[in-house]
Amino acid sequence: EVQLVQSGAEVRKPGESLKISCRGSGYNFPNYWIGWVRQMSGKGLDWMAVIYPDDSDTRYSPSFQGRVSISVDKSMSTAHLHWSSLTTSDSGIYYCARGMSPTNVNSPFDLWGQGTMVTVS
Amino acid sequence: QSVLTQPPSVSAAPGQKVSISCSGGTSNIGSNYVSWYQHLPGTAPKLVIYDNNKRPSGIPDRFNASKSGSSATLDISGLQTGDEAEYYCGAWDISLTAGVFGGGTLVTVL
Repeated sequence: EVQLVQSGAEVRKPGESLKISCRGSGYNFPNYWIGWVRQMSGKGLDWMAVIYPDDSDTRYSPSFQGRVSISVDKSMSTAHLHWSSLTTSDSGIYYCARGMSPTNVNSPFDLWGQGTMVTVS
Repeated sequence: QSVLTQPPSVSAAPGQKVSISCSGGTSNIGSNYVSWYQHLPGTAPKLVIYDNNKRPSGIPDRFNASKSGSSATLDISGLQTGDEAEYYCGAWDISLTAGVFGGGTLVTVL
């Protein structure tokens, strides 16, 4: 089955670090961009960043550049979203998603993970 | 403030049609494809339209979309209670070198 499975909910204190993960299966993981999307409570979707697993090429939204980092472990078919110092405004649900077309950075997201809830309090 | 502008909400009776607008600029909708996502609470977003007007497999033909210049529209006809959700438009922005979403439109079936 083609799917993205994300790590479970996390609770952290402000100033702590965090890494959440997204594992892809059932498709050629290295050749499809993986993106991260945030939804804060009661708010809309925010496009954060994407990474190309084959060479770790990345693109960040200016709104998130420097505030988070994304990485990938190609051997484990897993992408990561990392915070070095959390703030309460980082609370929300974080989705990973796959770009629809192989190699195209501007592809829409056709496959989504189930979401990871992050609570910073 | 989202880069792409959508109305906060639209509504119609079952069987009727709703239209959701998405307004952007030359760096995003004006120069790239538009996609649309359906998002129900507690679930992952779902792609319902890509490349301006194409439906992924399994999306009913009640969902149609178009693009003109720097704006796009999603039409949902034959409205059903199961269509109640938040809908987001999305596009790549060549100035930001990043993707952008609209603020979302809540569709309510009266």
